[in-house]
Amino acid sequence: DIQMTQSPSSLSASVGDRVTITCRASQGINNYLAWFQQKPGKAPRSLIYGASTLLSGVPSKFSGSGSGTDFTLTISSLQPEDFATYFCQQYKSYPLTFGAGTKVEIK
Amino acid sequence: QVQLIQSGAEVRKPGASVEVSCKTSGYTFTDHYMHWLRQAPGHGPEWMGWINPRNGDTHLVKQFQGRVTMTRDTSISTAYMQLSSLTSDDTAVYYCTRGMDNWIILQWGQGTLVSVSA
Repeated sequence: DIQMTQSPSSLSASVGDRVTITCRASQGINNYLAWFQQKPGKAPRSLIYGASTLLSGVPSKFSGSGSGTDFTLTISSLQPEDFATYFCQQYKSYPLTFGAGTKVEIK
Repeated sequence: QVQLIQSGAEVRKPGASVEVSCKTSGYTFTDHYMHWLRQAPGHGPEWMGWINPRNGDTHLVKQFQGRVTMTRDTSISTAYMQLSSLTSDDTAVYYCTRGMDNWIILQWGQGTLVSVSA
């Protein structure tokens, strides 16, 4: 199975900050990477697939990049509604696997 | 708009079975794979497998083979996931999700909490 490692596991940031989350795959996955946002007590929300393609309705403050084994999710200007946990997920091969998540908290 | 509405929370004893349903609307049910995932408290999501609603084909993660059954009823645009021989390790929120295909997850149901306790 492909292991996905996210860093940091949590971070504190202020409204307006630029935030970057990193995800590393245990082997090359081309650009077969997705990102999800999850707020407490809610279902995850799909944000990005193909490492950088935003799903419909996802604001442009979110961006993704990377290929191979190293990927990033960037939130350009953090807003109160962005405080949540973010997960990466590979879909290069089965089983689909997720990172452990990065919790973005208010400083 | 696309909706995936799951059945309500369930409580089961070890050894029992549970079935979670996922009623869909707002899109053509047979055009999109349905992936099932679960999330234990404090953990990231865990993918369980998918069903192709068009023909009923399924792909299950090895650890769930023999214990999970995924079915669908195209007449009511609803998918089902049955998990048997429950243990406390199966306590989690279970999600149905609409796939772009058999790889990419687009939208999630609201989740169904399954609690397993003696």
